[in-house]
Parts: sequence; structure tokens; C-alpha cells
Amino acid sequence: QVQLVQSGAEVKKPGSSVKVSCRTSGGTFGSYSFSWVRQAPGQGLEWMGRIIPLVGTRKYAQKFQGRVTITADKSTSTVYMELISLRSEDKAVYYCARDRAPTVPASLRDWGQGTLVTVSS
Amino acid sequence: DMQMTQSPSSLSASIGDRVTITCRASQPINRWLAWYQQKPGKAPKLLIYEASRLESGVPSRFSGSDSGTEFSLTISGLQPEDFATYYCQQYNTEIQTFGQGTKVEIK
Repeated sequence: QVQLVQSGAEVKKPGSSVKVSCRTSGGTFGSYSFSWVRQAPGQGLEWMGRIIPLVGTRKYAQKFQGRVTITADKSTSTVYMELISLRSEDKAVYYCARDRAPTVPASLRDWGQGTLVTVSS
Repeated sequence: DMQMTQSPSSLSASIGDRVTITCRASQPINRWLAWYQQKPGKAPKLLIYEASRLESGVPSRFSGSDSGTEFSLTISGLQPEDFATYYCQQYNTEIQTFGQGTKVEIK
């Protein structure tokens, strides 16, 4: 049973950046795609982007292009999401999620517990 | 851009009711559609994938169907633990998109 464990809550100032980690255990890492999904307070789910660690392929939603970078460290089975130029609207819970199967396309079956990022001066 | 239009945004229902939530895709998505359930403070949970395939461990009262670009999630016999928010998601394109969500509340 795969587990995704995310780093803890962060409080950041406007204009700064945040890097959230997602460590996986109990399953194959490299061949699966990992996505990042965020949820602003009281709002719906918003897909930000994805990475396939085995090949390093990345794709980002247009809304986040230029501000988000998703990386992976195969040696530690960890995926990262860095968001720069933070603004108050970036306050949200950020989730990492792993594809249901190591094939594309696939839905998101395994989820991290979420990381709350607060942006406040 | 691919759009997923989900309806209704909320509904009230009673225990035992049959409930249907709909998602319409702005373009064909080849049945690459999933449904998720989310409870307050929790991560989403995958219920249905490939439009109608039930994820392992999900009760059989949940079912998915499709007709062209219109997709439905049906809960047959609503249970107390089913009161939650439900989201559809298309994963046909490289850029995935979620519907706006449907909150299922107790009548």
C-alpha cells in the first residue's frame, strides 16, 4: 500500500516562494506520474501540474506556468512542488497525488494528507 | 481549454435517496473521467475511473455512466457517510481539469 507523506504547514510572505515535499513509500516510484492539486479555502480542486519521475517529463496548467516547478528525487522517492512570487490568493491546501496506474492516462488514486500554505504579510 | 461543467453545485437529499450528479466536457474525452469524494479536512478519494469502473473497496451503490461528453455519477441508496462533496475530473488531455464540485447535504 503506497503512502504519500507531505511536509508541514507553511506561512509565507507575499512575493516569497514555498517548496512542498511529498515522500512516497510502499510502492514503485519512478514509473508513476505524480500530480499537484490545490484547494483554496472553501473552493474546489485545481490541478496544477504533474511529473513522471522516470523520464522527468513535466506538464503545468497554464495558470501556473512560470511560477510553479515540480521536481522529483528518485533516490528518496520524493516529489517537490515549488511556487514562487506568492500572493494572498495562493493560500490553499496543496495535495500531491499519484496516478492509479503507471500508464497514461490515469486517474489519481493515492493522495498525500495535504499541506496548508498561508500567505500573509 | 478543456472545461468540465458539473451540476448541480449542491443538492439536498435524504437517506436512501437515489442521487445523480452530472459533468459535461467541452470536448470529447474518450471516457477518461474520474469521480472523487471529498469530506471536510480530508484528501479526495477516488470512486470511479474510466467513466464507469468502480475503484476497489468502493461500495457498489456508487456507479458511473456516460453518453458522449456527458458523464454521470449515481448513488443508489444514499447512506449517512455519503454526505460529502463530489468532483469529476477529466484526464484525457495533458492538462487535467476538475469540475466545480457538488455538495451533497442532508435534507
